[in-house]
Amino acid sequence: DQQVKQNSPSLSVQEGRISILNCDYTNSMFDYFLWYKKYPAEGPTFLISISSIKDKNEDGRFTVFLNKSAKHLSLHIVPSQPGDSAVYFCAASTRTQGGSEKLVFGKGTKLTVNP
Amino acid sequence: ETGVTQSPTHLIKTRGQQVTLRCSSQSGHNTVSWYQQALGQGPQFIFQYYREEENGRGNFPPRFSGLQFPNYSSELNVNALELDDSALYLCASSLGWGGEQYFGPGTRLTVT
Repeated sequence: DQQVKQNSPSLSVQEGRISILNCDYTNSMFDYFLWYKKYPAEGPTFLISISSIKDKNEDGRFTVFLNKSAKHLSLHIVPSQPGDSAVYFCAASTRTQGGSEKLVFGKGTKLTVNP
Repeated sequence: ETGVTQSPTHLIKTRGQQVTLRCSSQSGHNTVSWYQQALGQGPQFIFQYYREEENGRGNFPPRFSGLQFPNYSSELNVNALELDDSALYLCASSLGWGGEQYFGPGTRLTVT
């Protein structure tokens, strides 16, 4: 079963406009949520996170919104820049039986920002 | 500060063989997690090592095993390779169990 879902495989926006990437989850026990960015031939890079007790977190051009009742989060990038073009993964943090933290990832959304 | 490194970059193996992938943690990090990313999927958690012991495991069979060394570097071993094991294997290091995870570039494994 897929606990973290990113239903849009791709998104294309114009430079300077807003990019909105969406993510849905099914497990209410997730502690916090993260967004990672991945360029080809590189590992995922942490972008921004939000605790399950908050509904908004902002860091420069990046803002993440969490709607717990809808089990939905979104990443807003304003303004979008061509360098933002990458695959964005939504991830949720939970604990294994052994107590370690594990990240559960969505399938990713490929963002293309056109100049 | 040295980031997370992985070796080799690419690897081709035959079904039934065994493979060892290596990971060097970011300086100061004592926890290593391994993930498998199949084509078109997000990374899937395999297991985590903290201070040389496995302290959490995902839904992977026992033929996936690991080691962590005193310098916190790590190995992922996969026995009896299957075609479905073809994937990008990512290593992530962190400071402690719940610390922010920093990923390496991955090892691309192809099983033929």
